[in-house]
Amino acid sequence: GAGVSQTPSNKVTEKGKYVELRCDPISGHTALYWYRQSLGQGPEFLIYFQGTGAADDSGLPNDRFFAVRPEGSVSTLKIQRTERGDSAVYLCASSWGPGQGTQYFGPGTRLLVL
Amino acid sequence: AQSVSQHNHHVILSEAASLELGCNYSYGGTVNLFWYVQYPGQHLQLLLKYFSGDPLVKGIKGFEAEFIKSKFSFNLRKPSVQWSDTAEYFCAVRSPRDDKIIFGKGTRLHILP
Repeated sequence: GAGVSQTPSNKVTEKGKYVELRCDPISGHTALYWYRQSLGQGPEFLIYFQGTGAADDSGLPNDRFFAVRPEGSVSTLKIQRTERGDSAVYLCASSWGPGQGTQYFGPGTRLLVL
Repeated sequence: AQSVSQHNHHVILSEAASLELGCNYSYGGTVNLFWYVQYPGQHLQLLLKYFSGDPLVKGIKGFEAEFIKSKFSFNLRKPSVQWSDTAEYFCAVRSPRDDKIIFGKGTRLHILP
């Protein structure tokens, strides 16, 4: 596609529920990144994929968070047993490869945990 | 660990005023530096970037930034702002070794018409 797309654009859930957030990167981009942006903060790195494998997951806050990219294109960020503190905008970005210039960001998914 | 500090959280200027947004980073090695912008209701867009070479970098919409290695700074400038520059601006750093981008907390710029 022309840009990075993310679905849903908004997600409201209840504490304790499971959510999945989807990212569709720019066609041909091999690197895919997830960031989280809380209110009043800049985006914080969560995880990045090179192809199908997670090259760096050091930013995932705990084991409730997990991400996959089974075919090296679309990625899903999964959050189990959601907590109110998980409320944030989840951003996805993609690039041609590690160290290969610019990361292009999607519009984000705004997650609200009640 | 890498970190980025943006000096101003909120800046208000009148149209045609000159702009300078401060950014300092902490990292001892080679870095790539970025300014991203987020216009109201839109997603993050790259304004400009520095990888190597000329430390004065020109970006879109008349913005420029200067990398001063000795000061660990990458300040953003524009000689004459417009109302359409109202947005949030993020300075960011990346180590080429690990590829993740570390962002500052952002500066909200509000231009009065």
